[in-house]
Amino acid sequence: DAKTTQPPSMDCAEGRAANLPCNHSTISGNEYVYWYRQIHSQGPQYIIHGLKNNETNEMASLIITEDRKSSTLILPHATLRDTAVYYCIVRSMEYGNKLVFGAGTILRVKS
Amino acid sequence: DAGITQSPRHKVTETGTPVTLRCHQTENHRYMYWYRQDPGHGLRLIHYSYGVKDTDKGEVSDGYSVSRSKTEDFLLTLESATSSQTSVYFCAISEVSGVFFGQGTRLTVV
Repeated sequence: DAKTTQPPSMDCAEGRAANLPCNHSTISGNEYVYWYRQIHSQGPQYIIHGLKNNETNEMASLIITEDRKSSTLILPHATLRDTAVYYCIVRSMEYGNKLVFGAGTILRVKS
Repeated sequence: DAGITQSPRHKVTETGTPVTLRCHQTENHRYMYWYRQDPGHGLRLIHYSYGVKDTDKGEVSDGYSVSRSKTEDFLLTLESATSSQTSVYFCAISEVSGVFFGQGTRLTVV
């Protein structure tokens, strides 16, 4: 699995967009970009994933650069409940392939 | 929650005793995983299973064994618990769309 690089921490004002970057320069053609988050002591929660097109769901948007070497997770209107550790993970298309977690980004949403 | 139930949710045990954690899923998923999470280490894979009686080691498998005799249950056993195995343990299942996690078991070895 390709490795990812994320900033260790970020702050965001409540109500503003939170933009979390991730570098995955060694990603291969069959690997997806996944985002998870973990709120204190809970199990990791799936947010979104994508291959090469931008994706949006009810939680967030995922922007992947054309060369696929980096991506950005966007929480459009951050709330205090979005304070969590956010993990960017690359995972192959092989069904059942495990997730390998890095250190993630601690996002602190402040009022 | 992808139909995942972990039991027990909390356990305190003594050093040297055997401990078994259970992960139960109701949606017939083939792939199941056990992770542990410790401060400063994030989530690390212990063992995983790709079907009944088919299991393999992850990156931190020493001191742990697993069994999968039924599709719905994936058991993690600490044969002789040590203080270094104090941790939060997460079970997960894999779907085509991604991997989904249970709520965790907090294990304390005293």
